[in-house]
Amino acid sequence: RKEVEQDPGPFNVPEGATVAFNCTYSNSASQSFFWYRQDCRKEPKLLMSVYSSGNEDGRFTAQLNRASQYISLLIRDSKLSDSATYLCVVNPAAGNKLTFGGGTRVLVKP
Amino acid sequence: NAGVMQNPRHLVRRRGQEARLRCSPMKGHSHVYWYRQLPEEGLKFMVYLQKENIIDESGMPKERFSAEFPKEGPSILRIQQVVRGDSAAYFCASSPSGLSYEQYFGPGTRLTVT
Repeated sequence: RKEVEQDPGPFNVPEGATVAFNCTYSNSASQSFFWYRQDCRKEPKLLMSVYSSGNEDGRFTAQLNRASQYISLLIRDSKLSDSATYLCVVNPAAGNKLTFGGGTRVLVKP
Repeated sequence: NAGVMQNPRHLVRRRGQEARLRCSPMKGHSHVYWYRQLPEEGLKFMVYLQKENIIDESGMPKERFSAEFPKEGPSILRIQQVVRGDSAAYFCASSPSGLSYEQYFGPGTRLTVT
């Protein structure tokens, strides 16, 4: 079993719609969780950290469910520019070694 | 904007040559990480360094790969006697000292082995 698993997609989303997807992680001792965005094999860019209480940044909402060991990302009012691969990232333990999921590809279409 | 800098951005090497990849962390960051992304795969951790120290090299292949982060100058990832399977994007990330786990990535070096 992979340490961090994501549905690879693609999720085809009409512009203006809402899209949500999850990732699951296997290490229950994981301490930190993030969503990164990667465009066309460019560098990953930090989208948001994910906190236990859930957090929102504009049109993006992230949730963490420690009991079920999954993280979710919801994008509201999708823009064409939201088309990208979204990487679920987990820090399994103290030591700053990030573990990346394979990514979920989102395609927003007019 | 002093982000993470990597050079070269593209590197072509013939099998058996050496590849040297450089990474300068963001200003104020003293922690450097190297990740590799093989074609059609996710990013995989390679090594974590602080100045003059390798903290975690659990993701480094046992042979031909080495990394350093000297007191002065950039971090260097060195690959000796490259093979075609080394062709990948190599990303460097940095984070500030302290408890922050957020890492910021450089633009990557795309290594092609012919």
